[in-house]
Amino acid sequence: DAEITQSPRHKITETGRQVTLACHQTWNHNNMFWYRQDLGHGLRLIHYSYGVQDTNKGEVSDGYSVSRSNTEDLPLTLESAASSQTSVYFCASSKAGEETQYFGPGTRLLVL
Amino acid sequence: AQSVSQHNHHVILSEAASLELGCNYSYGGTVNLFWYVQYPGQHLQLLLKYFSGDPLVKGIKGFEAEFIKSKFSFNLRKPSVQWSDTAEYFCAVNANSGYSTLTFGKGTMLLVSP
Repeated sequence: DAEITQSPRHKITETGRQVTLACHQTWNHNNMFWYRQDLGHGLRLIHYSYGVQDTNKGEVSDGYSVSRSNTEDLPLTLESAASSQTSVYFCASSKAGEETQYFGPGTRLLVL
Repeated sequence: AQSVSQHNHHVILSEAASLELGCNYSYGGTVNLFWYVQYPGQHLQLLLKYFSGDPLVKGIKGFEAEFIKSKFSFNLRKPSVQWSDTAEYFCAVNANSGYSTLTFGKGTMLLVSP
């Protein structure tokens, strides 16, 4: 079955380290998204991509970057992890021209 | 830019009680509206969506939502909740402008006591 996966599911890191969270989907969806979920804030959009080589900043993009070298993957990189980036990170994807997004299982990141 | 407001952060109900979760959005143009649910420890799943047509939308697990354009609202309802409905519920809006990004509300945590 087609699916969307995220790895790792749990990560502990130290401030200042670079961290990359993986997102992989097998639906061949053009659109991919990264969100962070924090108590009292719901889900906030970090970055998104509408296709290979396309990336766009979301509402809370500072300190994060993404790259899209193929359709299946949109890795999220924290350039220099900060404690404020402790959160649960969700990846999502959707078909081109469609608004319904399908979510991955999430990555719980703790920055010490 | 659009925004979404969910009226209640926490709701506690007994089994068999009726549920209504409020959602209001701010955007002057055409919108697509969604309710997602997140069960404890799980990822978000789509409950229902409204794009156009009948403003009363039925979703999975007996949920429904009504789009009232004049009130900019998209409230979620269920006539009789079950313990298994305990979850966090998120309303989301997409401005129907050709872009696929969603703006989410802050979520409502529903606790159903048996």
